[in-house]
Amino acid sequence: QKEVEQNSGPLSVPEGAIASLNCTYSDRGSQSFFWYRQYSGKSPELIMSIYSNGDKEDGRFTAQLNKASQYVSLLIRDSQPSDSATYLCAPRGRTGANNLFFGTGTRLTVIP
Amino acid sequence: KAGVTQTPRYLIKTRGQQVTLSCSPISGHRSVSWYQQTPGQGLQFLFEYFSETQRNKGNFPGRFSGRQFSNSRSEMNVSTLELGDSALYLCASTWVGTSYEQYFGPGTRLTVT
Repeated sequence: QKEVEQNSGPLSVPEGAIASLNCTYSDRGSQSFFWYRQYSGKSPELIMSIYSNGDKEDGRFTAQLNKASQYVSLLIRDSQPSDSATYLCAPRGRTGANNLFFGTGTRLTVIP
Repeated sequence: KAGVTQTPRYLIKTRGQQVTLSCSPISGHRSVSWYQQTPGQGLQFLFEYFSETQRNKGNFPGRFSGRQFSNSRSEMNVSTLELGDSALYLCASTWVGTSYEQYFGPGTRLTVT
């Protein structure tokens, strides 16, 4: 079993729609979770972090965390063509370990 | 604040050679983590340095090593390069406190021929 599982996509949504990206993880000790966006040929860019169960909103982005289900998601509202990228889910290792475990990423395409 | 910088940005080496990559973290950030990204394996953790000490290490052979200097700048070294070492090498810096958010540099694209 992979440590972090994401649907690789591609996920296509029309401009203005909501894009929903999902991620499951295997390490119950993970306490911090991050979403990164990576454009082709570029390095990952941090867009959201979440530490507690529930929802966290930042502009058009909402991260959702359910530690009991070992599930974290990212919603992108009013999707724009500039949101087209690969989205990487990254739980942090156990307390004291500052390493991230990355999923393979979900490729999102927003169609104008 | 300036972001994370990495040098060089591109590198071409021959099998058997060694290479040193450099990373300067965001000012005030004391933790530097290194990752390897390949199309087949994705992003994989190499090691993390904090206060000049390696705190964590991923599952990579001993040919991969690193160090951190007193100004938090970090270097990683790969000896006896293999074709499979061709990858994008990324470093990320963290202000170790309550958030542990990691910010990535632009990466070094290493090609081994």
